[in-house]
Amino acid sequence: QVQLVQSGAEVKKPGASLKISCKASGYTFTSFYMNWVRQAPGQGLEWMGMINPSGGSTTNAQKFQGRLTMTTDTSTSIVYMELSSLRFDDTAVYYCARGRSRTSWGQGTLVTVSS
Amino acid sequence: NFMLTQPHSVSESPGKTVTISCTGSSGSIATNYVQWFQQRPGSVPTTVIYEDYQRPSGVPDRFSGSIDRSANSASLTISGLRTEDEAVYYCQSYDTSNVIFGGGTKLTVL
Repeated sequence: QVQLVQSGAEVKKPGASLKISCKASGYTFTSFYMNWVRQAPGQGLEWMGMINPSGGSTTNAQKFQGRLTMTTDTSTSIVYMELSSLRFDDTAVYYCARGRSRTSWGQGTLVTVSS
Repeated sequence: NFMLTQPHSVSESPGKTVTISCTGSSGSIATNYVQWFQQRPGSVPTTVIYEDYQRPSGVPDRFSGSIDRSANSASLTISGLRTEDEAVYYCQSYDTSNVIFGGGTKLTVL
């Protein structure tokens, strides 16, 4: 079955960068886009961007242009999400989520931005 | 920018039927598929409806999805409500290459 396993919780200072991994298994890695979605405490779901593991093309939500970088390693079926210049309001649970249809979700990674 | 609007909250009694709407701000919501996600407190979202009305395996047929082109909206209907259905439900679609989420609807079963 499809499994997406994310890296563990992080605590970061304002201005720092964050890199989260998402290891996929149970399907052909290059056949599905991978999305990154975040959820601030008590808030709704916010789409950040997506990457096509076949070729590495990316699409970022306008809000994250210039701060968000997504990459893949097809040899290990891992997708990475890097967010730079962290702010307090980047505190959230970050999810990887496979595809546009019948989406499967990672378990989430809690990121706390605190001084 | 395309937006999806959901009611903030709905409530209904066990055994009853509830419908949650998701209205598109412009264009036609029927142009791209709509998904619905269930998120119970403290849990990861799960897909309950994809491609407008399809149910993933394991999702009971009490859950159904539909599109109303005249209202430019999608709906999630849950029949025979159970207390375990209490959750926040999100609709999701896309606009060109961007993924769009509705703001979520908190369903209370009381």
